Amino acid sequence: DAKTTQPPSMDCAEGRAANLPCNHSTISGNEYVYWYRQIHSQGPQYIIHGLKNNETNEMASLIITEDRKSSTLILPHATLRDTAVYYCIVRVAMNSGGYQKVTFGTGTKLQVIP
Amino acid sequence: GAGVSQSPRYKVTKRGQDVALRCDPISGHVSLYWYRQALGQGPEFLTYFNYEAQQDKSGLPNDRFSAERPEGSISTLTIQRTEQRDSAMYRCASSLEGPGYEQYFGPGTRLTVT
Repeated sequence: DAKTTQPPSMDCAEGRAANLPCNHSTISGNEYVYWYRQIHSQGPQYIIHGLKNNETNEMASLIITEDRKSSTLILPHATLRDTAVYYCIVRVAMNSGGYQKVTFGTGTKLQVIP
Repeated sequence: GAGVSQSPRYKVTKRGQDVALRCDPISGHVSLYWYRQALGQGPEFLTYFNYEAQQDKSGLPNDRFSAERPEGSISTLTIQRTEQRDSAMYRCASSLEGPGYEQYFGPGTRLTVT
């Protein structure tokens, strides 16, 4: 699996955009970039994923650089409920059976400040 | 619809006892994963099932840990002769089969070995 590098922590003012970076310089061509978050002691929650195009959904936007060596998760208007640990993951799809081993790192602890 | 469920939610056991942790995935999800999460760390992969087949058990720490999913639905993670270092949150996740499908996590079982 390609490894990812994320800053250990970030602060963001409530109502502002939160931009969470992730480096994955050894990513392979068929590996997806996934983002999950974990609020307090809950289970990780899927946010968004992409292969090479930028993606947007109701929760966030994902910007992937053209060389795919890094990406940024954008929460457009952060709220206090977005305070969580955010994990950037590069996922290997092993075969046609769809094996999806996921390796979590330590993530970025985002603190949204009132 | 119902999400991933796990039982028990909390388990306290004495060192040397065996424990069995249960995971009930989302209906129709053929892929099932077990993770272990220590405080302040991201989830650590333990094992993966596709239907009833255990396709990867590389994350199981030693032979005291085993998992099964005999009918391709409910899964049990068993830890024999528990040790204090086994204390952690054990999480289960399920997904549809194939690349591009996100994992849905259960609430976890908090295991404490005294």
